Amino acid sequence: AQTVTQSQPEMSVQEAETVTLSCTYDTSESDYYLFWYKQPPSRQMILVIRQEAYKQQNATENRFSVNFQKAAKSFSLKISDSQLGDAAMYFCAYRSSRDDKIIFGKGTRLHILP
Amino acid sequence: DAGITQSPRHKVTETGTPVTLRCHQTENHRYMYWYRQDPGHGLRLIHYSYGVKDTDKGEVSDGYSVSRSKTEDFLLTLESATSSQTSVYFCAISDSPQGAQYFGPGTRLLVL
Repeated sequence: AQTVTQSQPEMSVQEAETVTLSCTYDTSESDYYLFWYKQPPSRQMILVIRQEAYKQQNATENRFSVNFQKAAKSFSLKISDSQLGDAAMYFCAYRSSRDDKIIFGKGTRLHILP
Repeated sequence: DAGITQSPRHKVTETGTPVTLRCHQTENHRYMYWYRQDPGHGLRLIHYSYGVKDTDKGEVSDGYSVSRSKTEDFLLTLESATSSQTSVYFCAISDSPQGAQYFGPGTRLLVL
């Protein structure tokens, strides 16, 4: 069965600095999708970024980018120029191309220090 | 933001009573999901639907049932609520198996 592991329960970063959140996953499949979701204090889940496993190029959305290492089964999220509004719980998620379900990691709580 | 609403947003109920949570979407997405979120467990899938009247179980389906009679509505029923079902419940939608999921605002349920 596929699993998603986020090894950092909490992290802190100074405002305007860069932070990287780690995620590893376990799968025997070659075709799948990876996501990062953000959950601010409002508790709503918001899609941050998405990566298709067949694409070698790392996805980027404004200040958010990923480092996708398929062989290492690693999918880290980099947040540049951190802002106070980035404070949230971040979830890494995996979705098989053969399944309708997404598997989530347990999350990393990110604190932004002013 | 995707048009997803959940009702009620907050509910307090007693052990043994049935509870129904509603998820409503205006996006005409085929796939709908119910998750529960608990500290230390992240998000866990309860049930999902891949079309009208087509549903399947997720990771933690015991004690829950679902129904989807219309594309826009996905109901989650706790047949006889227990204290272990105190949680925050999220509905999500997706337009394809490869797509991202878009989440509703959540329902906070307390079972006394």
